[in-house]
Amino acid sequence: QVHLVQSGAEVKKPGASVKVSCKASGYSFIDYYVHWVRQAPGQGLEWMGWINPSSDDTDYVQKFQDRLTMTRDTSISTAYMELSSLRSDDTAIYYCARAGNIGSVPDGFDIWGQGTMVTVPS
Amino acid sequence: EIVLTQSPGTLSLSPGERATLSCRASQGVNNNYLAWYQQKPGLPPRLLIYRTSTRASGIPDRFSGSGSGTDFTLTISRLEPEDFAVYYCQQYGSSPRTFGQGTKLETK
Repeated sequence: QVHLVQSGAEVKKPGASVKVSCKASGYSFIDYYVHWVRQAPGQGLEWMGWINPSSDDTDYVQKFQDRLTMTRDTSISTAYMELSSLRSDDTAIYYCARAGNIGSVPDGFDIWGQGTMVTVPS
Repeated sequence: EIVLTQSPGTLSLSPGERATLSCRASQGVNNNYLAWYQQKPGLPPRLLIYRTSTRASGIPDRFSGSGSGTDFTLTISRLEPEDFAVYYCQQYGSSPRTFGQGTKLETK
């Protein structure tokens, strides 16, 4: 069974950082991109960026460029998303998702983590 | 950045009816790399369709996708009770990979 399991909910103060983990199982972690998507309460989906677990290459949405960092630890098949300088409008569910066999054509996000709620009180 | 506009915002139908959901892109989607997702409350999205018209693993054949360029459609041929949810389109042919704002499919 292919799974992505994320870390638990977080409550952070404005200006702090949060680091969410996403552990892969059931497939070769280094063979697929990991994307991060967030969803504010009652709102739609917002793509944040991806990491190539094999090469460590990343691509971020421009609005997050200066405060978003995606990393991975291949020894434990885990990807991480760290967002700094948190604001109240960063309150959202953060999802990791698997997409696209590296070296093949891009594809949709076929496996999703369960989501991590990050709350930044105003 | 490609902006995806979904219509209608809300669609009210009854089980057994046909649903047609639209997704229009502000510019052509490279290689028609467009996907559709279904999301139910409290759950992550589920991939239904990728590359415009290919059903993901385990997706019933009542779901179909079509279109090209800037206009795409998700059709549900005969609605089942479990199909009432929010549906999102996403383009992944260029960065940033963008989502539409969603169509809520509700029971009439």
